[in-house]
Amino acid sequence: AQTVTQSQPEMSVQEAETVTLSCTYDTSESDYYLFWYKQPPSRQMILVIRQEAYKQQNATENRFSVNFQKAAKSFSLKISDSQLGDAAMYFCAYRSLWETSGSRLTFGEGTQLTVNP
Amino acid sequence: DAGVTQSPTHLIKTRGQQVTLRCSPKSGHDTVSWYQQALGQGPQFIFQYYEEEERQRGNFPDRFSGHQFPNYSSELNVNALLLGDSALYLCASSLVRQNTGELFFGEGSRLTVL
Repeated sequence: AQTVTQSQPEMSVQEAETVTLSCTYDTSESDYYLFWYKQPPSRQMILVIRQEAYKQQNATENRFSVNFQKAAKSFSLKISDSQLGDAAMYFCAYRSLWETSGSRLTFGEGTQLTVNP
Repeated sequence: DAGVTQSPTHLIKTRGQQVTLRCSPKSGHDTVSWYQQALGQGPQFIFQYYEEEERQRGNFPDRFSGHQFPNYSSELNVNALLLGDSALYLCASSLVRQNTGELFFGEGSRLTVL
């Protein structure tokens, strides 16, 4: 079974600064997806960024980018130019490439991000 | 374009009772999955429905059951409620042929068991 670990329960950053959230995972598979989801107080999970394990290039989405280290099984999220609206709980998640229908995600414990004005 | 909608948003039950939670997937989606999120923890996969059948199941007892209707909406039923069933229940939808793993989530149903 796969596991996902987020070792930072809480992080804080000043507005306009950069912050990095850490995630490690354990799997015996070679092909899989990794995700970062954001959960604001409204409770709705929102996809931030996705990485396919077979792609060596790190994914980027505007101010969000990842550092994917497959050999080390590490998948960190960097948020640049942090904004007040970035404050939320962030979850790292894993999905096997071979799962039919693609609905089974394994989540980490989450990192609560605070953005200070 | 309607997103994933869940009802009710909050409910309180007592131990031993039964509860039914409802979910309507995002327009165009055909797969619904359910997750349990205990306070301060990440979501845990309960099960997934596609073509009105349970396709995958997580490590949850048989007290947790579900259903998917022809219009792709879904219900989650929990029998003989325990205090430990208190959690946020999230519904997520996706399109099976769009095998990118991206799920669209609802805002959840907060269940409190007293």
